[in-house]
Amino acid sequence: GENVEQHPSTLSVQEGDSAVIKCTYSDSASNYFPWYKQELGKRPQLIIDIRSNVGEKKDQRIAVTLNKTAKHFSLHITETQPEDSAVYFCAAAPGHNAGNMLTFGGGTRLMVKP
Amino acid sequence: IAGITQAPTSQILAAGRRMTLRCTQDMRHNAMYWYRQDLGLGLRLIHYSNTAGTTGKGEVPDGYSVSRANTDDFPLTLASAVPSQTSVYFCASSDRGRPSGANVLTFGAGSRLTVL
Repeated sequence: GENVEQHPSTLSVQEGDSAVIKCTYSDSASNYFPWYKQELGKRPQLIIDIRSNVGEKKDQRIAVTLNKTAKHFSLHITETQPEDSAVYFCAAAPGHNAGNMLTFGGGTRLMVKP
Repeated sequence: IAGITQAPTSQILAAGRRMTLRCTQDMRHNAMYWYRQDLGLGLRLIHYSNTAGTTGKGEVPDGYSVSRANTDDFPLTLASAVPSQTSVYFCASSDRGRPSGANVLTFGAGSRLTVL
């Protein structure tokens, strides 16, 4: 089955700096890669996702890049703000016709210091 | 009800007891899932259901069972709880019929279970 590794497990940045979280996956059939944000005590919520036919996707201060050859994808947050502090999870799935089983990474705790 | 409702919010349980975590959604999503969240291990899939009447095993199914009698409800049962089942449990749902094929999960608020 799919195995998703996520690094780093914790990340501390100064407000205004950029943050990068990296994930690798093992199953070459995976073609859907979402990122979820979980604030303290809250439920995970989707913040951005990317399909395998796209190399990069951007939404305001967040962007995701995908390298299918190397089987890794990354989340980039620019101009970080204290409200970006949360646990971020990457995930991979084989796509529409394979049960849509999302396999999650272990999570990254991002702390943005004001 | 708006979205997914889980109950109870938290529970302390003696080892060996039976426990059912409830999950109800009102979005008419066809797929539902149970994940457990443990520190450093992310979210691990326990069981899933792609449509009412069907269920499947996820990554960590042992010690758990589910049923999907209708579209809205997807209870998770621990037949005989053990301390290693202490965790936060999240129910989620998705609409697998999305044209994009993207499996966007909507999560419930979670149920914190402590087994002593």
